[in-house]
Amino acid sequence: GAGVSQSPSNKVTEKGKDVELRCDPISGHTALYWYRQSLGQGLEFLIYFQGNSAPDKSGLPSDRFSAERTGGSVSTLTIQRTQQEDSAVYLCASSRGTAEGNTEAFFGQGTRLTVV
Amino acid sequence: GEDVEQSLFLSVREGDSSVINCTYTDSSSTYLYWYKQEPGAGLQLLTYIFSNMDMKQDQRLTVLLNKKDKHLSLRIADTQTGDSAIYFCAEREYGNKLVFGAGTILRVKS
Repeated sequence: GAGVSQSPSNKVTEKGKDVELRCDPISGHTALYWYRQSLGQGLEFLIYFQGNSAPDKSGLPSDRFSAERTGGSVSTLTIQRTQQEDSAVYLCASSRGTAEGNTEAFFGQGTRLTVV
Repeated sequence: GEDVEQSLFLSVREGDSSVINCTYTDSSSTYLYWYKQEPGAGLQLLTYIFSNMDMKQDQRLTVLLNKKDKHLSLRIADTQTGDSAIYFCAEREYGNKLVFGAGTILRVKS
């Protein structure tokens, strides 16, 4: 696609429910990143994928968070048993592989998650 | 572990220069970036510098890199009200992981 696409753009969920956030990266981009931006906060790294594997999952806040990527393309971030502190904007970005020099990361518009 | 730090807030008058500073910890970082986030919008790349460079200039933007001190700065000349935004410093570490700072809010007063 022309850019990084995230869905849904907004999600309101009840505390305790599971949610799935989707990211569709730019075609051909092998690296995919998930970040979280809370109100007034910076970008908190969650996880990144190189192809289908995740070399670094260190940013996932708890075992309620998981992510997968299939076919080297679409990724889903799943939050189980959501809590109010999970409310944030979840941003996805993609970039080309490391073998090609500078790899600018292109960001989607984010999914605004509100847990009530 | 890796960490990228920035000052949280900068206020300047229109027409003045703005300097936003950033420090990082990973000496293996290959590229360093400045991203801009305008209110209600996504992040967009402003400029970047390769780790073997000291300086990069792009129109009103000047990036300075002190690799010894792991210090990066972004200077915006003749700052305009349209430059008001959050500016994020980021480092690309070996293996392609991108780590961002908390962002600096730039407010330009007319």
